Amino acid sequence: DADVTQTPRNRITKTGKRIMLECSQTKGHDRMYWYRQDPGLGLRLIYYSFDVKDINKGEISDGYSVSRQAQAKFSLSLESAIPNQTALYFCATSAPQVRQPQHFGDGTRLSIL
Amino acid sequence: AQTVTQSQPEMSVQEAETVTLSCTYDTSENNYYLFWYKQPPSRQMILVIRQEAYKQQNATENRFSVNFQKAAKSFSLKISDSQLGDTAMYFCAFMAVNKFYFGSGTKLNVKP
Repeated sequence: DADVTQTPRNRITKTGKRIMLECSQTKGHDRMYWYRQDPGLGLRLIYYSFDVKDINKGEISDGYSVSRQAQAKFSLSLESAIPNQTALYFCATSAPQVRQPQHFGDGTRLSIL
Repeated sequence: AQTVTQSQPEMSVQEAETVTLSCTYDTSENNYYLFWYKQPPSRQMILVIRQEAYKQQNATENRFSVNFQKAAKSFSLKISDSQLGDTAMYFCAFMAVNKFYFGSGTKLNVKP
């Protein structure tokens, strides 16, 4: 089983709909992150959380919200989806030790029509 | 501001040859860590290699090695004996002040 699981894997929806992307992990990491990937732009940070009570905005948080329901769960919501939020979304985790890399889920490809 | 620049959007290499992917970064931090990630068509993000900025010795993982030039803020990835399975998008990243920063990626195509 994957250490970091994202659901759904793919989603097509319409403008204006509310969307929730879910992420769960079995690595026991406190730190969790949401990124979006767009062609030519790499990965950009949307939100991150260092523990259940800690939520921080990343560089592109407008139009998104998150919820850290438990150490293992971190969900991303689009309250009213718009076409330019069409992207590949990644959840990642990391251990608090500074030299540790991030571990990624398999991504959710989201298309907004 | 922390930035990562990968100036080669796309590269090609013949199977069994060696290829080097470039990466430069900018940070005012002294304590940071550098990573290369591989993203094959399956879209997984796979850690290839990591380097601590305080270490002068370049990291090596089998066919993958880095050329880390701290003063120049350069962190290139060398892939030796390229294999078809190396075909992927490669992202350079660094971590400082508890946050990760990624480059825009280099698409590597290994030709038979």
